Amino acid sequence: AQSVAQPEDQVNVAEGNPLTVKCTYSVSGNPYLFWYVQYPNRGLQFLLKYITGDNLVKGSYGFEAEFNKSQTSFHLKKPSALVSDSALYFCAVRDIIRAGNMLTFGGGTRLMVKP
Amino acid sequence: EAGVAQSPRYKIIEKRQSVAFWCNPISGHATLYWYQQILGQGPKLLIQFQNNGVVDDSQLPKDRFSAERLKGVDSTLKIQPAKLEDSAVYLCASSPPGRGASYEQYFGPGTRLTVT
Repeated sequence: AQSVAQPEDQVNVAEGNPLTVKCTYSVSGNPYLFWYVQYPNRGLQFLLKYITGDNLVKGSYGFEAEFNKSQTSFHLKKPSALVSDSALYFCAVRDIIRAGNMLTFGGGTRLMVKP
Repeated sequence: EAGVAQSPRYKIIEKRQSVAFWCNPISGHATLYWYQQILGQGPKLLIQFQNNGVVDDSQLPKDRFSAERLKGVDSTLKIQPAKLEDSAVYLCASSPPGRGASYEQYFGPGTRLTVT
């Protein structure tokens, strides 16, 4: 079975500082990995994904994530945080060999960026 | 392009009552998903449609939940009868055809259900 762990319920960072939101995964085969962001009373918005190729992927709003196969991690990063980045972030994994390609989400990490 | 539409946005019902949620995916998106998101948790897939056929409903509580996607476009998710533990946000998502498992999903705003 596939699974995703986001070990931090909340991450606090000062505006202008770099941020990291952690994610580790478990799948039988090769993973497709995704990050989504959720603002209050809104659905999830896609940020970025890793499919294949470069381990560092870039996405929307200046976010990037690094795929590390040996550590089975896919941490989300941003060099300089903005107050408007404050939201709920979800990591998700899809096992490419599973029929139907079900997407499994982590429990989410709340990012708080303070001025 | 217009996003995924859901209605209603909020619903409050008493336990043992029935409720239905509606979803209209992005035009041309062949795959439609229903997720349940309980407060403090990540979304959990309930059912996945490819056009009007079910691809995965392994996590759908079939004794009380049902879903259909007539004509491969709009979809309805029903709960009958509702239980207190069904209180959650129900998210609908869609994704385009022909891109394999690498595609991202586009989510609607969700329906927040409160069962009292």
